[in-house]
Amino acid sequence: GESVGLHLPTLSVQEGDNSIINCAYSNSASDYFIWYKQESGKGPQFIIDIRSNMDKRQGQRVTVLLNKTVKHLSLQIAATQPGDSAVYFCAENMNSGGGADGLTFGKGTHLIIQP
Amino acid sequence: DGGITQSPKYLFRKEGQNVTLSCEQNLNHDAMYWYRQDPGQGLRLIYYSQIVNDFQKGDIAEGYSVSREKKESFPLTVTSAQKNPTAFYLCASKTDSLRFNEKLFFGSGTQLSVL
Repeated sequence: GESVGLHLPTLSVQEGDNSIINCAYSNSASDYFIWYKQESGKGPQFIIDIRSNMDKRQGQRVTVLLNKTVKHLSLQIAATQPGDSAVYFCAENMNSGGGADGLTFGKGTHLIIQP
Repeated sequence: DGGITQSPKYLFRKEGQNVTLSCEQNLNHDAMYWYRQDPGQGLRLIYYSQIVNDFQKGDIAEGYSVSREKKESFPLTVTSAQKNPTAFYLCASKTDSLRFNEKLFFGSGTQLSVL
């Protein structure tokens, strides 16, 4: 079936810089998108989500942008800190059929913070 | 504190052996999910359950079995038919499987390895 993917497997940024993690999705019927952070050996933690009727949503130090025209999702992290080092996953869900089988996940981007 | 508890953290399986991974949640969620994660990969859905005494196969159900006798519990058995069981297994839940715009809550995972 259709899947969510990521442009880069690894992203290295300097501490204090802003990070931008990208995600391309192929299912134009997706209505809900979500970003998770996963630290080594742990379960994914929710960061932020966005519905398809929105273009942008902001949280604490994070912003998610959705471009439905090109089916692109991005996560922006402001003033990156060492604790931001992790793998970041985007995921999607569809409204049709209720999405009972949960979310479809991309492969993830490993964010590395350089001191 | 409410949450999802997975046990054990690490599990080793011998050839021909069935092993069971535990997942318990006290969030009063109806829907529960099992995902498999291989190194450098996204999450793949094994089984999910929308309600007690009901469950459906996900994308990679072969070699696995589940039960949902109680709302709080959704154990996963990795059978001897699963020839490549080494992976990180994640349990998740959400309030209602039919609400598409709802995030999944994850447990901390179980790392299964073959002896």
